[in-house]
Amino acid sequence: KAGVTQTPRYLIKTRGQQVTLSCSPISGHRSVSWYQQTPGQGLQFLFEYFSETQRNKGNFPGRFSGRQFSNSRSEMNVSTLELGDSALYLCASSGAGGSFYEQYFGPGTRLTVT
Amino acid sequence: DQQVKQNSPSLSVQEGRISILNCDYTNSMFDYFLWYKKYPAEGPTFLISISSIKDKNEDGRFTVFLNKSAKHLSLHIVPSQPGDSAVYFCAAKDSNYQLIWGAGTKLIIKP
Repeated sequence: KAGVTQTPRYLIKTRGQQVTLSCSPISGHRSVSWYQQTPGQGLQFLFEYFSETQRNKGNFPGRFSGRQFSNSRSEMNVSTLELGDSALYLCASSGAGGSFYEQYFGPGTRLTVT
Repeated sequence: DQQVKQNSPSLSVQEGRISILNCDYTNSMFDYFLWYKKYPAEGPTFLISISSIKDKNEDGRFTVFLNKSAKHLSLHIVPSQPGDSAVYFCAAKDSNYQLIWGAGTKLIIKP
């Protein structure tokens, strides 16, 4: 069974630009969560989508948004990039078989804002 | 307000010995707890979990203990191996199905 995939793996953007990151969950998983990890920090929760609906949202500004498609693939968008948005963005899926709450992570997208 | 705390940023253990990673939480409504392991530049990988109705769960070298009265859980790794060197995160599920994460503990296994 294929794991969670994220594209692109690496991205360099300029301050003020916008970026879209993509996540394909494990087949059958309906929940997709997004996290931001910065050096020395734990995982900061951005939002979670379940069946195309945002179910939970973390404490991030409105510049961070996301969506989920009918095939459970998800995208997150960051507008008006700031230097502090440089981070590893992780996507995780869950929700089929086993324990519903076990999240399976992709390798992440490393975003660098210059 | 951190609901899940891992108070040790790092831990160094001799190879072959027991590694004990600790996690404290404040919300008594958390009903499911998970441990994840993360290598640099990779996403976290699920290790082991425990429901709040249990106090212990084992999987090979990994055992998680839950003390609900103390709101404390711990992960024991026996014996510790060099490949166990990583950052370990504990997470707790809240009533909104959201996982609340600790800040992580970096485990270093010394040869």
